[in-house]
Amino acid sequence: QKEVEQNSGPLSVPEGAIASLNCTYSDRVSQSFFWYRQYSGKSPELIMSIYSNGDKEDGRFTAQLNKASQYVSLLIRDSQPSDSATYLCAVGDMYSGGGADGLTFGKGTHLIIQP
Amino acid sequence: DGGITQSPKYLFRKEGQNVTLSCEQNLNHDAMYWYRQDPGQGLRLIYYSQIVNDFQKGDIAEGYSVSREKKESFPLTVTSAQKNPTAFYLCASEILGLTGFPTEAFFGQGTRLTVV
Repeated sequence: QKEVEQNSGPLSVPEGAIASLNCTYSDRVSQSFFWYRQYSGKSPELIMSIYSNGDKEDGRFTAQLNKASQYVSLLIRDSQPSDSATYLCAVGDMYSGGGADGLTFGKGTHLIIQP
Repeated sequence: DGGITQSPKYLFRKEGQNVTLSCEQNLNHDAMYWYRQDPGQGLRLIYYSQIVNDFQKGDIAEGYSVSREKKESFPLTVTSAQKNPTAFYLCASEILGLTGFPTEAFFGQGTRLTVV
């Protein structure tokens, strides 16, 4: 059973600070890694994808991937109250035999940005 | 506008009834997925489909059925065999990468199903 682990939180961060969200995964053959933001009662919204070891930056967001440690993280710089949401880590595996089996999601980390 | 449309947004089901949730996409995506989300939980995969007229069971397929007669449409039926169907249901789609790796999945707005 593939597993994706996240600290459920809540993680409380002062406005303007850096929020650091972490995720570990169990399947070594995982190749695709995603961070989704989900506001209460809404559907997940993709904010970052990363496929190679290292850092990937997009605006205030930086995704970090370390496949050797099976670890992926999301940094949010200059945190804003609108960043308050649940952040879902999702991991995708390379499929074989023509079967795409979707993504495995963590349970999410609830982030609260304190004004 | 391209996107994924789920309907209805809210659905109420009586005990013993089958209900069908609609999912339509105009993104020309190959793969489509149905997930279930319970409060405080992550998303769990119900069914997925890579091509028309083919679909596979996910982790929690019991009590659900799907069809994929058109590339754009992937309806989910929640049958009376599903004992605890109250949940938030999410449909997603994605382009399959050239190498077979999952790419970015995009979600519809979800259907909240409640058993009354």
